[in-house]
Amino acid sequence: ETGVTQSPTHLIKTRGQQVTLRCSSQSGHNTVSWYQQALGQGPQFIFQYYREEENGRGNFPPRFSGLQFPNYSSELNVNALELDDSALYLCASSPGQGRLNTEAFFGQGTRLTVV
Amino acid sequence: GEDVEQSLFLSVREGDSSVINCTYTDSSSTYLYWYKQEPGAGLQLLTYIFSNMDMKQDQRLTVLLNKKDKHLSLRIADTQTGDSAIYFCAEIPSGAGSYQLTFGKGTKLSVIP
Repeated sequence: ETGVTQSPTHLIKTRGQQVTLRCSSQSGHNTVSWYQQALGQGPQFIFQYYREEENGRGNFPPRFSGLQFPNYSSELNVNALELDDSALYLCASSPGQGRLNTEAFFGQGTRLTVV
Repeated sequence: GEDVEQSLFLSVREGDSSVINCTYTDSSSTYLYWYKQEPGAGLQLLTYIFSNMDMKQDQRLTVLLNKKDKHLSLRIADTQTGDSAIYFCAEIPSGAGSYQLTFGKGTKLSVIP
């Protein structure tokens, strides 16, 4: 039990639709990172939020966007869904800049299927 | 490139040692990590090593680092069926922010009873 919760756990969407995934960070953590894990692959870094600001982005198109709220929970939004967006989306919560990644914890993920 | 390379599969008998290998890309990476992922679950940090270390031991886990060859390995002693999972090697490349990990594709460890 990491204290990082993601919702929903599973989701099925149609190509072209929009989706919002949610992550509640562990208490005391102000940084949230999102990763996409396609089947049979390692997680790929999407972006990171620190104190409500985007703080780094991986190689993902602008239709992947996010938010972080004052309580440090976060949303990942994906517009114009494509079949290749089908993946496990993982959220990682961490205590802040300058701290070791050993203190980052992952949620269980949201399994998104695009049909 | 930013590819972290791992062999995809490893099969061992219960009680034997498992060795999972990884080649990373960025010689400036300060920390290198091993994560475990069980079916249907998120990622669990197993252990990590600082780049100025050659070896780290943590109970049944031993991490070896060869900086010259950018090679990282994870040895699991006395492998148990509960160790069956996918193991990911990860680094934080230079220029990336804290916690912005680059992962390999994972090694699926199967433990035969």
